[in-house]
Amino acid sequence: DAGVIQSPRHEVTEMGQEVTLRCKPISGHDYLFWYRQTMMRGLELLIYFNNNVPIDDSGMPEDRFSAKMPNASFSTLKIQPSEPRDSAVYFCASSFGGVNTEAFFGQGTRLTVV
Amino acid sequence: QQQVKQSPQSLIVQKGGISIINCAYENTAFDYFPWYQQFPGKGPALLIAIRPDVSEKKEGRFTISFNKSAKQFSLHIMDSQPGDSATYFCAVSGNTPLVFGKGTRLSVIA
Repeated sequence: DAGVIQSPRHEVTEMGQEVTLRCKPISGHDYLFWYRQTMMRGLELLIYFNNNVPIDDSGMPEDRFSAKMPNASFSTLKIQPSEPRDSAVYFCASSFGGVNTEAFFGQGTRLTVV
Repeated sequence: QQQVKQSPQSLIVQKGGISIINCAYENTAFDYFPWYQQFPGKGPALLIAIRPDVSEKKEGRFTISFNKSAKQFSLHIMDSQPGDSATYFCAVSGNTPLVFGKGTRLSVIA
């Protein structure tokens, strides 16, 4: 398996624009996580899914953020409208069998909002 | 409130030396304690993990020491090498997803 695949790797957008980040988890994994990494706050959990169902989105910072998982092999994180403070590296991760097992991370999407 | 506190923030170690990174947690419900390694431009990757039924786990040059009563665990890197230079994160989990420490930037110098 190629691991967790995220796209795009880099995204530069203007404030107010819509941004969509994409993730393909490892085949067979039943948990998917979206994390955000910044220097100030470290790695923060935004939302996670189990069998394509959102379980906890309490980490989503605002209503401007939304995430979907239409099937077991695809998830999106959308920010609309984007703001400069959303600039960060966004990671998708997946795991099998539980939340307290190894999570496999993608390479991340570096988002810059200008 | 931080669920896991990691120290130090940065660490410089001579090649061949021992690197030690510490983490402390509060919630006794946690039952999974991994360490992740992250290189620049990459995602974190699992290095080694421990469950609370053992006090130590060793994999090659990497060892986790776990003190359940003190609610602390640490990562020891023996014979540190320049290739170990990276950021290391401890994490905790129970019935919730991984919560990460703030990270330790390790530099191993020749």
